[in-house]
Amino acid sequence: NAGVTQTPKFRVLKTGQSMTLLCAQDMNHEYMYWYRQDPGMGLRLIHYSVGEGTTAKGEVPDGYNVSRLKKQNFLLGLESAAPSQTSVYFCASTPGQGWAAFFGQGTRLTVV
Amino acid sequence: QKEVEQDPGPLSVPEGAIVSLNCTYSNSAFQYFMWYRQYSRKGPELLMYTYSSGNKEDGRFTAQVDKSSKYISLFIRDSQPSDSATYLCATGAGGFKTIFGAGTRLFVKA
Repeated sequence: NAGVTQTPKFRVLKTGQSMTLLCAQDMNHEYMYWYRQDPGMGLRLIHYSVGEGTTAKGEVPDGYNVSRLKKQNFLLGLESAAPSQTSVYFCASTPGQGWAAFFGQGTRLTVV
Repeated sequence: QKEVEQDPGPLSVPEGAIVSLNCTYSNSAFQYFMWYRQYSRKGPELLMYTYSSGNKEDGRFTAQVDKSSKYISLFIRDSQPSDSATYLCATGAGGFKTIFGAGTRLFVKA
């Protein structure tokens, strides 16, 4: 019963460094999402995917890239980290449109 | 104006109290409504899902949707210290985009 698993759980980066956040789901869901959560801002959609090999921009995509090479995995990349990307990142998945999302436990990223 | 407005709190109540959490939304096209509970340093987990106006009850929790006033509520009866968490409302129009409120922090004191 793993559900949605995110790796890593914590990370500290220096400005300009790159990293990849990994999300894996074992529920055979078609749709996957990356959100960031900041105090007072709620959850904001970064990128999403409606199936293997497809990705699309969300509300705040700048500075991030994603890939969905396998149905169960959704990767979020930061090419050149900035302090403004300090946040908690959540991956989520749904079986289809309009369904409630299953969330991972989050990745707490600090960029110094 | 945000599409979904939610009072961030914090809201502090004694154990056993009835808690009322509320959100307003601006888009009349929104069709489905959800409440998530998020414990500290954890991911949100679904609490309630409704697709229409009216009430939906699940144990101590009741979700209420009033589409005419664009108002959604979550009521918690006989609140427990274990209910202390942040509650997020969410809504959408049926596409891929779900809009989340900023969350209300709730503290239930024993």
